[in-house]
Amino acid sequence: IAGITQAPTSQILAAGRRMTLRCTQDMRHNAMYWYRQDLGLGLRLIHYSNTAGTTGKGEVPDGYSVSRANTDDFPLTLASAVPSQTSVYFCASSPQFAITYGYTFGSGTRLTVV
Amino acid sequence: AQTVTQSQPEMSVQEAETVTLSCTYDTSENNYYLFWYKQPPSRQMILVIRQEAYKQQNATENRFSVNFQKAAKSFSLKISDSQLGDTAMYFCAFMKQSNTGKLIFGQGTTLQVKP
Repeated sequence: IAGITQAPTSQILAAGRRMTLRCTQDMRHNAMYWYRQDLGLGLRLIHYSNTAGTTGKGEVPDGYSVSRANTDDFPLTLASAVPSQTSVYFCASSPQFAITYGYTFGSGTRLTVV
Repeated sequence: AQTVTQSQPEMSVQEAETVTLSCTYDTSENNYYLFWYKQPPSRQMILVIRQEAYKQQNATENRFSVNFQKAAKSFSLKISDSQLGDTAMYFCAFMKQSNTGKLIFGQGTTLQVKP
């Protein structure tokens, strides 16, 4: 089934540990995004990529890094996790030619940093 | 910078009745796009409806319609004949006309449809 796959579905992580959230899409979409969802704050953009090889910072990039080595994969890395990074993380994508039509979302990763 | 505000954290409605969710936004842009997304308990984000700012006609998708007031920067969602499956969190979102496609979301409104 075409779409976005995120892994893991959920994770409990010790503070200070490094963690990579995986995101893979099979729709050949150029644009990809990482958001975090927090109650009362909605979804906030962490990082984005408009095409393979390029990335940009969103609203809340501190403590996170991304890479875009190819079209399909867009991993999000927490170098040294802190409790404030406890959240639900969503990966999303969109074709560049239809970018104003909204995103396809993954099913999210629930991360708890203790 | 653009902002999106949903001032109703929680709402409820009886099955088969109509409910309206509010959304306001702030922007200096003239060309932009507005969206409503639904997030049921499954956590999946589902696009409900989309509005292009240059179109005066309000968008409609079956039981879902919007009241787009560009001058007032208001974009409310009306759900008619509410169904139990409409129970979800609803997010209003804004995207300006650009090649980056960044969506700015509101805080969300949790809607419960009661039998």
